Amino acid sequence: GQQLNQSPQSMFIQEGEDVSMNCTSSSIFNTWLWYKQDPGEGPVLLIALYKAGELTSNGRLTAQFGITRKDSFLNISASIPSDVGIYFCAGQQIAGGKLIFGQGTELSVKP
Amino acid sequence: GAVVSQHPSRVICKSGTSVKIECRSLDFQATTMFWYRQFPKQSLMLMATSNEGSKATYEQGVEKDKFLINHASLTLSTLTVTSAHPEDSSFYICSAGGLAGAYNEQFFGPGTRLTVL
Repeated sequence: GQQLNQSPQSMFIQEGEDVSMNCTSSSIFNTWLWYKQDPGEGPVLLIALYKAGELTSNGRLTAQFGITRKDSFLNISASIPSDVGIYFCAGQQIAGGKLIFGQGTELSVKP
Repeated sequence: GAVVSQHPSRVICKSGTSVKIECRSLDFQATTMFWYRQFPKQSLMLMATSNEGSKATYEQGVEKDKFLINHASLTLSTLTVTSAHPEDSSFYICSAGGLAGAYNEQFFGPGTRLTVL
């Protein structure tokens, strides 16, 4: 089936550092979504992107929808300990349709 | 964002029994609900898509007779794991989305941890 290639798989950073992760696909998506999942909980939506080239921020988070519609990145600036968790990208081809998820990026932040 | 609840949050059952998991959208009407399964250290795997009032669409490899999905209203979908076995132990998560005239995001429930002994 379709897959999104998300990298890196894991990151160990110092508090205050910036973080960048990305997702690529061989298929075109019309919507890109970024989620964060804490252990034992469901994913929480961070940012939604709807247009190619769109750059959207949510506090210290910034995400972009690639021009080719086959990729997206998420940046976290000035990381803090509560940023720890697993971040997933997800692509959607049909409005309201199913999501294809990346493999996840596990973020660890050292105080 | 929209709020989705799941019940129960955890369930332990004996092999061979059936377990029902409920997914509710609390503050909006969801035309479509999705059921995912997640194994430890892995991504979410879509099991099925359900639309209110119609039969669910299952992903390849997911047994529809084992994982029964009912979406009887715009705020409630249920997943029943029939004749559960230890290999069915997993984290089951639902999401709601497809809001008509609104946005395309999916909002996830908190998940249900199923352990089959």
